[in-house]
Amino acid sequence: EIVLTQSPGTLSLSPGERATLSCRASQSVTSSYFAWYQQKPGQAPRLLIYAASSRATGIPDRFSGSGSGTDFTLTISRLELEDFAVYYCQQYGSTPMYTFGQGTKLEIK
Amino acid sequence: EVQLVQSGAEVKKPGESLRISCQGSGYSFTNFWIIWVRQMPGKGLEWLGRIDLRDSYINYSPSFQGHVTISSDTSISTAYLQWSSLKASDTAIYYCARRERTYETFDYWGQGTLVTVSS
Repeated sequence: EIVLTQSPGTLSLSPGERATLSCRASQSVTSSYFAWYQQKPGQAPRLLIYAASSRATGIPDRFSGSGSGTDFTLTISRLELEDFAVYYCQQYGSTPMYTFGQGTKLEIK
Repeated sequence: EVQLVQSGAEVKKPGESLRISCQGSGYSFTNFWIIWVRQMPGKGLEWLGRIDLRDSYINYSPSFQGHVTISSDTSISTAYLQWSSLKASDTAIYYCARRERTYETFDYWGQGTLVTVSS
């Protein structure tokens, strides 16, 4: 089983600042099958980034993804109030087919 | 517009059975898999399993195999998640989502169904 470990657990930043979220895999992950999701309180998750670096439909260009192998990064260039949420990484591989990271909470400083 | 609409919140007692649903619209339902995800109170996302709606082939996460059952009725574009004997530890929000095959992502999600199991 591939385990995804996200860091930090909580990130406290101010609007306008840059956010860098990390996701490390216990084994190499196929970049085409690596994604990031955003979840706001009381809402379902929303797909942000697929194939490690491609933005999903309607996602602002302040969100970007990068990485390969075992290390992936989600960057939010200039935080807006609506960006404060929990972010999850996700990969597809062998059993279990899909795994998620434990999440990073991005909170207002 | 693609939509996944889930059934409403449930309150059950331990040992009771339950089936929750996820109805798709706005797309060809059988052309996509439906997956189920659990989110326990204050916790992260866990993948339970998936169903291929063309042939009803199902995979479960080893963590959930034998405790939940996934099924579907394609005549009404609906997928189901069911329990035969609930436990208090099943208390969670359960989401269905549509799996996009090219990049193995979950591109549309239901609104979630809160299941509360308490004596």
